[in-house]
Amino acid sequence: GAVVSQHPSRVICKSGTSVKIECRSLDFQATTMFWYRQFPKKSLMLMATSNEGSKATYEQGVEKDKFLINHASLTLSTLTVTSAHPEDSSFYICSARVGGDGRNTEAFFGQGTRLTVV
Amino acid sequence: AQKVTQAQTEISVVEKEDVTLDCVYETRDTTYYLFWYKQPPSGELVFLIRRNSFDEQNEISGRYSWNFQKSTSSFNFTITASQVVDSAVYFCALTSGNTPLVFGKGTRLSVIA
Repeated sequence: GAVVSQHPSRVICKSGTSVKIECRSLDFQATTMFWYRQFPKKSLMLMATSNEGSKATYEQGVEKDKFLINHASLTLSTLTVTSAHPEDSSFYICSARVGGDGRNTEAFFGQGTRLTVV
Repeated sequence: AQKVTQAQTEISVVEKEDVTLDCVYETRDTTYYLFWYKQPPSGELVFLIRRNSFDEQNEISGRYSWNFQKSTSSFNFTITASQVVDSAVYFCALTSGNTPLVFGKGTRLSVIA
């Protein structure tokens, strides 16, 4: 299957700082990328959908000014957690999809990023 | 709205036992795709299977098998002769193709030696 690389895998930061997480599709062009958040022992909750070259679409309840998403190219999307607080500590995972129609429905996932804000 | 229900929060079995993980879904779309993913303690999601709504054939892959029943909106996953390495959280997910994956809450499987 296709490879999605997410970096960093773990990050610890101080309260008030910003953290950038990168999601790269290594061997295919991803027109759509999704960012999920997973609390301990919980399911994956969709945060936002990003399409290359356009603004991300955020799910209800997700602060777009806090979780900045940039999908500047067909192989890279970034999630920046701004002014991080301890409650932002979580596992963040991205997924990439080749096309928007039913023929390319398989979503390829990154390895995830465990963010700890102290 | 789409919804995936995995009623079993945690399951514990002894090695070599068979175990079935349940998944019930809701969607108004006639075309949709169902997935199973495995999430080991390391956190990454491992793709196991994708099934589209027009293909109700059951599938077997080694010790894994899947039973897709449109009549009951279920897509159950069975592991035969379970092994300790099967211990993980398993997620069932659904998409209509143009929508993001909607995940169930997951089932934590513990296989005891």
